[in-house]
Amino acid sequence: GNSVTQMEGPVTLSEEAFLTINCTYTATGYPSLFWYVQYPGEGLQLLLKATKADDKGSNKGFEATYRKETTSFHLEKGSVQVSDSAVYFCALDSGTYKYIFGTGTRLKVLA
Amino acid sequence: DSGVTQTPKHLITATGQRVTLRCSPRSGDLSVYWYQQSLDQGLQFLIQYYNGEERAKGNILERFSAQQFPDLHSELNLSSLELGDSALYFCASSTHPSAASGGAAYEQYFGPGTRLTVT
Repeated sequence: GNSVTQMEGPVTLSEEAFLTINCTYTATGYPSLFWYVQYPGEGLQLLLKATKADDKGSNKGFEATYRKETTSFHLEKGSVQVSDSAVYFCALDSGTYKYIFGTGTRLKVLA
Repeated sequence: DSGVTQTPKHLITATGQRVTLRCSPRSGDLSVYWYQQSLDQGLQFLIQYYNGEERAKGNILERFSAQQFPDLHSELNLSSLELGDSALYFCASSTHPSAASGGAAYEQYFGPGTRLTVT
């Protein structure tokens, strides 16, 4: 079946460090891929998305590229800030009427 | 603010009881999704409705049920509660059901959640 695998957290970085959170997926067909972010005490909110191979989603300095050949959608940011501390979820939508979320990766950025 | 509202914000109840969680989707959204988030199991998809009809079921227990009403709000009913049901329950909405292969990606908008504590 369809699935999403994210790197385990927590990830702890110093401010201005480079961030990568790995996400790989298994799906039939051509799913859409998403990154959601959950700040403490809040619900999830969409960070970025990509709908087809080689698409790059970007928002707030975060980027992720849909790589069909490696079935990956890794999240990157060149310089993290303390305010980026949150839980990040990779998700896919395969068109079967339900999203599949990864387990989430907690990011902690230290000043 | 996502535009999705959930009530109540917090709920504390005893084992064996029944509770109802309520969700109002964003204006114009026809799809409603319910998720359970617990510390040890991450975010679990429970069920989805589209315009009043059930569209998909995930890992929803038989003790749980949901419905979407003509005004599009949705309720999640949890009965015979157990300690392990303690979790955050999120509702999300989107304009359309999840996209067909290769089509547009429809964003889900999440509510703030209901924190259920079963004692």
